[in-house]
Amino acid sequence: GENVEQHPSTLSVQEGDSAVIKCTYSDSASNYFPWYKQELGKRPQLIIDIRSNVGEKKDQRIAVTLNKTAKHFSLHITETQPEDSAVYFCAAQWRTGANSKLTFGKGITLSVRP
Amino acid sequence: NAGVTQTPKFQVLKTGQSMTLQCAQDMNHEYMSWYRQDPGMGLRLIHYSVGAGITDQGEVPNGYNVSRSTTEDFPLRLLSAAPSQTSVYFCASREQGSYEQYFGPGTRLTVT
Repeated sequence: GENVEQHPSTLSVQEGDSAVIKCTYSDSASNYFPWYKQELGKRPQLIIDIRSNVGEKKDQRIAVTLNKTAKHFSLHITETQPEDSAVYFCAAQWRTGANSKLTFGKGITLSVRP
Repeated sequence: NAGVTQTPKFQVLKTGQSMTLQCAQDMNHEYMSWYRQDPGMGLRLIHYSVGAGITDQGEVPNGYNVSRSTTEDFPLRLLSAAPSQTSVYFCASREQGSYEQYFGPGTRLTVT
């Protein structure tokens, strides 16, 4: 089955700096890679996703890049703000059919220092 | 639309007790899943369903049962609660042919 790993497990940045969170996956057939943000006591919320036919996707201050050859993808947050402090999960999924499942990484805690 | 709803929000059980965590969605999604979230472990899939009457096991199914009699509801049953089942449980749904999952607000379960 798919195995998704996130590095590092915690990250602390100064407000205004950029943050980069990396994930690796094991199944070369995976073709969908979402990032979820979870604030304390809340549900995971999808913030950005990328499919395997795209190398990069950007949405305002966040972007995701995908390297299929190396089987890793990264979340980039620019101009970080205190409200970006949360746990971020990456995940990988193969297709959308009945047997496809979303496999999550263990999460990274991002702290933005004011 | 209410989206994905879960009840209760909090629950405390004694070892050996049984209970059902409720999950409902009003988006007519075919796929529904149950995850548990433990510190440092991410979200792990317990059971999932691809439609009414069809369920299958995920990564950590032991100690849990599910059924799917309607498209809207996907309850998770703990047959005999154990302290190892202390966790936060999330239900999620997605549309057939779509990747995006929608999560419920979660149920925090403590087993003493």
